Amino acid sequence: DAGITQSPRHKVTETGTPVTLRCHQTENHRYMYWYRQDPGHGLRLIHYSYGVKDTDKGEVSDGYSVSRSKTEDFLLTLESATSSQTSVYFCAANTYYNEQFFGPGTRLTVL
Amino acid sequence: KQEVTQIPAALSVPEGENLVLNCSFTDSAIYNLQWFRQDPGKGLTSLLLIQSSQREQTSGRLNASLDKSSGRSTLYIAASQPGDSATYLCAVSPDNAGNMLTFGGGTRLMVKP
Repeated sequence: DAGITQSPRHKVTETGTPVTLRCHQTENHRYMYWYRQDPGHGLRLIHYSYGVKDTDKGEVSDGYSVSRSKTEDFLLTLESATSSQTSVYFCAANTYYNEQFFGPGTRLTVL
Repeated sequence: KQEVTQIPAALSVPEGENLVLNCSFTDSAIYNLQWFRQDPGKGLTSLLLIQSSQREQTSGRLNASLDKSSGRSTLYIAASQPGDSATYLCAVSPDNAGNMLTFGGGTRLMVKP
């Protein structure tokens, strides 16, 4: 499972508040990803990282920012949460052989 | 833009049946294709990874095939069991510089005892 953990696992917040989700991996993988999963839309890439301080946008990056100051940690920030960002968020990492492994997910509810 | 389609969206079979799940993609210029399993409320579990140069991969009762030229992959599950009940997702990657996956909508499988 590439040793991926996510925190928190569940969060309820209010519209307009900042939220940070954390992804932690223990196996020194270079590439890391943030996806969101929504009914009717499936899994969509938000942002990805290809190294420390190297990040880029995915398909649905508006309203999200990311940071990666250490190889093992990839943070996803919602600067001002909106109800449309209620979703399940998954972090993933790529192994050397380009097999992607996922974390357990964070269920975020924005009221 | 790559589009990935999985048919059927849902499937219910009796225990013991052999079954095939289908995945099609519009752009044949892929680097690899990966099959995942997702249980309700859980994350994705990688089942099989097929590189573009490969035709198939096997793991236990699972066999995945890839026909890049026709834009198709199939996941074959032999002797299905109730524990196989889950949503199965396929995803394709355009290249090895990032390996950003495009996912299909999934097939929800129910295996009845």
